[in-house]
Amino acid sequence: QQPVQSPQAVILREGEDAVINCSSSKALYSVHWYRQKHGEAPVFLMILLKGGEQKGHEKISASFNEKKQQSSLYLTASQLSYSGTYFCGTPIVNFGNEKLTFGTGTRLTIIP
Amino acid sequence: EPEVTQTPSHQVTQMGQEVILRCVPISNHLYFYWYRQILGQKVEFLVSFYNNEISEKSEIFDDQFSVERPDGSNFTLKIRSTKLEDSAMYFCASKVRVEKLFFGSGTQLSVL
Repeated sequence: QQPVQSPQAVILREGEDAVINCSSSKALYSVHWYRQKHGEAPVFLMILLKGGEQKGHEKISASFNEKKQQSSLYLTASQLSYSGTYFCGTPIVNFGNEKLTFGTGTRLTIIP
Repeated sequence: EPEVTQTPSHQVTQMGQEVILRCVPISNHLYFYWYRQILGQKVEFLVSFYNNEISEKSEIFDDQFSVERPDGSNFTLKIRSTKLEDSAMYFCASKVRVEKLFFGSGTQLSVL
């Protein structure tokens, strides 16, 4: 049930665009995206909801593929501060309680 | 912005010893979680807690683990007899209902 992310790691120059993918074996009704800096806690970036609505970050967007088994995170005109490991989180609901299962992570390095 | 607070930030213990990791979630939050992250790996779900009881736990969360919310504000994770493989960063997280998780800054547990 753990989502698989791709790529595992990517290095970009400042100003370039990045795409990070999160794939699930089942259709997703929402996807959460978090960024973790080295030695720090994950920080919420955004939620992508089933209907395509997004809640979160101004300069970061996301989408689903047609079957809603993959979500892609788009980072436009990347900044040095975007460096970190990105995790998608897929909610699993049991008896009304929701937990997030995090993906394998994508390490993004932005260089000047 | 309100924060989830975790103490201690680092804990070193001998194998077989008991440890208690402490968390103060955000005051109006209802759902509480423990996650752990082995160095360089993904963030793994351990347990969720709602309405003063465990709502879900992972395979990792065996009989050596327990959680409590003793006084309505603190939320603790106890490991009764630590093993080498328990060495990891442990994150507490909380949320109101749906949507984003707020993570604490973590406790780095080292079992020697």
